[in-house]
Amino acid sequence: LAKTTQPISMDSYEGQEVNITCSHNNIATNDYITWYQQFPSQGPRFIIQGYKTKVTNEVASLFIPADRKSSTLSLPRVSLSDTAVYYCLVAPYSSASKIIFGSGTRLSIRP
Amino acid sequence: SQTIHQWPATLVQPVGSPLSLECTVEGTSNPNLYWYRQAAGRGLQLLFYSVGIGQISSEVPQNLSASRPQDRQFILSSKKLLLSDSGFYLCAWSGQERRSYEQYFGPGTRLTVT
Repeated sequence: LAKTTQPISMDSYEGQEVNITCSHNNIATNDYITWYQQFPSQGPRFIIQGYKTKVTNEVASLFIPADRKSSTLSLPRVSLSDTAVYYCLVAPYSSASKIIFGSGTRLSIRP
Repeated sequence: SQTIHQWPATLVQPVGSPLSLECTVEGTSNPNLYWYRQAAGRGLQLLFYSVGIGQISSEVPQNLSASRPQDRQFILSSKKLLLSDSGFYLCAWSGQERRSYEQYFGPGTRLTVT
């Protein structure tokens, strides 16, 4: 399984765009890149996943360069409620596999 | 729609006592099921995962065990709890559409071993 590296913590202010970058140098051909969000005392929530280029949904955008060795989660115009831990992970497209959560990035949004 | 339940929500148990945590999923068939543990301020540690009834894969050798007696029921057990078993236990499921990276988590059980 590919290991991921992301910043331990980040701070930002309401209304700003936040970009969290994750490196995954050993990503395999059949791995997908996935991001989760976790609030205190809750289970993680799936945010977005992608394989290459750019993916956008109602919550976030995910940018993946051509070499796929890194990815960037972009949160537009964050609010205080976006304060959470964000996990980047890579996992194969398989029904019988496991995924590994790292320590995540603790994002703090200030007024 | 699919829902996942865990109980109890909180549990305080003495060292050496047994443990049984239950997880059930509604609204889907033949899900992949997972048990994770999260220590305070840490990431998630995968404990067990199951792709079908009676099929359990263990990720971390320890005094915990898991069972899947029914398609949508996943149970985490221990015969004798250790202090180090304290943590936030999360059950998750993923669909049979071969998208194991997209998991849906339950509300969790916070276990304190005293």
